[in-house]
Amino acid sequence: QKEVEQNSGPLSVPEGAIASLNCTYSDRVSQSFFWYRQYSGKSPELIMSIYSNGDKEDGRFTAQLNKASQYVSLLIRDSQPSDSATYLCAAPRRGTGNQFYFGTGTSLTVIP
Amino acid sequence: EPEVTQTPSHQVTQMGQEVILRCVPISNHLYFYWYRQILGQKVEFLVSFYNNEISEKSEIFDDQFSVERPDGSNFTLKIRSTKLEDSAMYFCASSEEGGEPQHFGDGTRLSIL
Repeated sequence: QKEVEQNSGPLSVPEGAIASLNCTYSDRVSQSFFWYRQYSGKSPELIMSIYSNGDKEDGRFTAQLNKASQYVSLLIRDSQPSDSATYLCAAPRRGTGNQFYFGTGTSLTVIP
Repeated sequence: EPEVTQTPSHQVTQMGQEVILRCVPISNHLYFYWYRQILGQKVEFLVSFYNNEISEKSEIFDDQFSVERPDGSNFTLKIRSTKLEDSAMYFCASSEEGGEPQHFGDGTRLSIL
């Protein structure tokens, strides 16, 4: 299993709907997780971090972490066309934490 | 809001030449990183740097690559004897501590001809 895995999509949702993005991880990563958004041709932009089991909400975004299932997700409520981007899940390598593993990203399109 | 800045935004170089990519991390950050993203592929870790030395490096970061913090603000990635497959977007990032959220610069698009 790769360190961090994502379904590459593409995922399409209508405007106003909830977009659900998922990520699984292996034992080779530390259990801190970061969601980044990357617009085409741009750099990754940090959206949220989550460190403990359960949900963490920030505006329209909710990150969910389930350590038992080694699963982390990002929910985007009231999706907007401006949310159309690739979403990257990232986690530090277990141990020093100085190397981040990134998933391949899930491409999201929000249809007006 | 403080940000990571990278120069140049685009670098075109002949194969075999050396390139230096430059970065200014966020001023109070202690950890610095270089990542690479080949077009259409995932972001790949190259190297992390802390306390004026390499903290970790990936298998991609071979003898062709080196990093340096020549002064109190700049952080550079040198690629010697460039190859066609070095063409990619190179991102610099920084964080306050190891394992903490990393903040990325806008990247340098490197094109090797």
